[in-house]
Parts: sequence; structure tokens; C-alpha cells
Amino acid sequence: KAGVTQTPRYLIKTRGQQVTLSCSPISGHRSVSWYQQTPGQGLQFLFEYFSETQRNKGNFPGRFSGRQFSNSRSEMNVSTLELGDSALYLCASSLALAGELETQYFGPGTRLLVL
Amino acid sequence: GNSVTQMEGPVTLSEEAFLTINCTYTATGYPSLFWYVQYPGEGLQLLLKATKADDKGSNKGFEATYRKETTSFHLEKGSVQVSDSAVYFCALSGRQAGTALIFGKGTTLSVSS
Repeated sequence: KAGVTQTPRYLIKTRGQQVTLSCSPISGHRSVSWYQQTPGQGLQFLFEYFSETQRNKGNFPGRFSGRQFSNSRSEMNVSTLELGDSALYLCASSLALAGELETQYFGPGTRLLVL
Repeated sequence: GNSVTQMEGPVTLSEEAFLTINCTYTATGYPSLFWYVQYPGEGLQLLLKATKADDKGSNKGFEATYRKETTSFHLEKGSVQVSDSAVYFCALSGRQAGTALIFGKGTTLSVSS
């Protein structure tokens, strides 16, 4: 079974631009979560989607948004990029069966550099 | 709020040495506990997990036991290899649907031959 895939793997943008990152979960997984990884702040939760609805959200500004499609694929968007948005963005998927442990499986990440 | 504290790295060991990476947590209720590993240039891989007190997670020679009385989930391996060099993250998750993983800051392990 294929793992979580993320595209693109690397991205260079300039301040003020916007960017869209894509995540395809493991087949059959219905929940997709996004995390930001930086050397200073470590791994921080952005948001989680299930059945095209955002169920949980971390403490990030409104410039960070996401969505999930009917096939469970997810995208996240960052508008008006700032230098501090340079990070590795990780997507994770889980089965999200009712009452089951929500083990999350991660993709390889998209490395975003903002100049 | 919930939090995870890991020992500061880097940890430098010789091949076949014993490894311990300490992890303690603060949480309400009964979280699930995880160890993830990140190899250079890659995403996170689930190494092992435990869902209730006294559970022992194990994988690839690594072990960790969920200790509720000491709120700890220390990672151990009896004999490390050069290929174990990576960053190790301890994490916890609540049991509510959609809950986020909360990570420690990571511990870098470097194993030399």
C-alpha cells in the first residue's frame, strides 16, 4: 500500500506570495493533519480535516488555511508569505475509525523556503 | 495543557552501545504515547506506540514502556547501529477524534562505528 505522498517536495517563494501544498493520504485513510516543523519551534500542529471538514485547528494565523476533498486528498494554503514561514510542512493521515487509536502516518514533507 | 519533555541532545554513542532517551509528559486523562524517528531529509516514521499504562511498545529492537506513575515513556535499545543515527521524537495524543499530536523537541542520535 502506498504511503502518504506530498507535492511538491521543495518550493522556493518570495515574501508576499502565496503557496499551495498538496497531500494524498494512505488509501482508505479519512483524516489528514498538517504540521509545521522549524528548528526553533519544532513540530507544531496546523489543522486536521475529516470528511471535508476541519475538526481541529492549531494556533496559527488566518494566513494558513486548508481544505479536504471528497477523495480525502488535502491541500494547505499559505497567503502573504513571510520569511518565518520557511519550514518543512508535514502531512499525516490516519484511518479515523470511531473508537480506534488515531495513529498518524507521515509523508516526506514539503520544504518551503521563503526569500 | 498537554506537553512532552525530551532529554536534550545530541546523544553520541559507539556502535553496540546501550541507548536511553528520556521522555516525560504532562497530560490530562490517559493519552496515547508514541516515538517517531526522522532520518536526514525525510519525514517522520512511527517507531512504536503504547495506548495504556504498563503497555510496552517495541519495534526494530527499540522498546518503551508507558509508565503512568512516573509519566514517562523512555526509549531504549540494547545495541545501537550506525543506521540508527537520526532524530527521535516523543509524542502524545489525546483520545478524542481529530486530536493533534504534541511532540517533544527531538533528540539527535549519532552512532559511530
